[in-house]
Amino acid sequence: NAGVTQTPKFQVLKTGQSMTLQCAQDMNHEYMSWYRQDPGMGLRLIHYSVGAGITDQGEVPNGYNVSRSTTEDFPLRLLSAAPSQTSVYFCASSPWGAGARYEQYFGPGTRLTVT
Amino acid sequence: GENVEQHPSTLSVQEGDSAVIKCTYSDSASNYFPWYKQELGKRPQLIIDIRSNVGEKKDQRIAVTLNKTAKHFSLHITETQPEDSAVYFCAARAEAAGNKLTFGGGTRVLVKP
Repeated sequence: NAGVTQTPKFQVLKTGQSMTLQCAQDMNHEYMSWYRQDPGMGLRLIHYSVGAGITDQGEVPNGYNVSRSTTEDFPLRLLSAAPSQTSVYFCASSPWGAGARYEQYFGPGTRLTVT
Repeated sequence: GENVEQHPSTLSVQEGDSAVIKCTYSDSASNYFPWYKQELGKRPQLIIDIRSNVGEKKDQRIAVTLNKTAKHFSLHITETQPEDSAVYFCAARAEAAGNKLTFGGGTRVLVKP
């Protein structure tokens, strides 16, 4: 059981480039989410999904797109990278639904630098 | 939406002393309050959580208390050890907001031997 996995671990982009951060989980969790963590700050929700085909915006969605075609995968796309998107990105998953334990399991993170 | 404030932002304690971190939330509908520990360069990991139908929960040296009326909750770590040094985050979740967690800004705890 690998839990939540993320790739890549590190990435450097130039301003204007696009890329996709990958996230996968093998716990059959319906709920998945993306957070960004800036130095000395808490985690801010970018986008989330409560199941395949369903996504919604979080607190800071601008500049990012997501899709959820399977229960396992939840990729995050940066459309045109900007220096303000330099951050550590965490993917998380949890069970969902009535009676579920809502503990969120985090992936190891992707450290992104935009120059 | 929900707003969670966390204090203090840094906390230095002597090994063996207690540490207390406090959080307030704004949405009275919030009903789930987890605490995460994040070691340097690592992912956040859940250490304890409490639901709104419970006032206090303990797990060995850590405990969380919840005051729904005042909309605040606290993390208590007793007999601190150097391995307790980390950043701690509180969070709140409202039923109406699905499973969206709103995090506090974090508290950097340093336990001095």
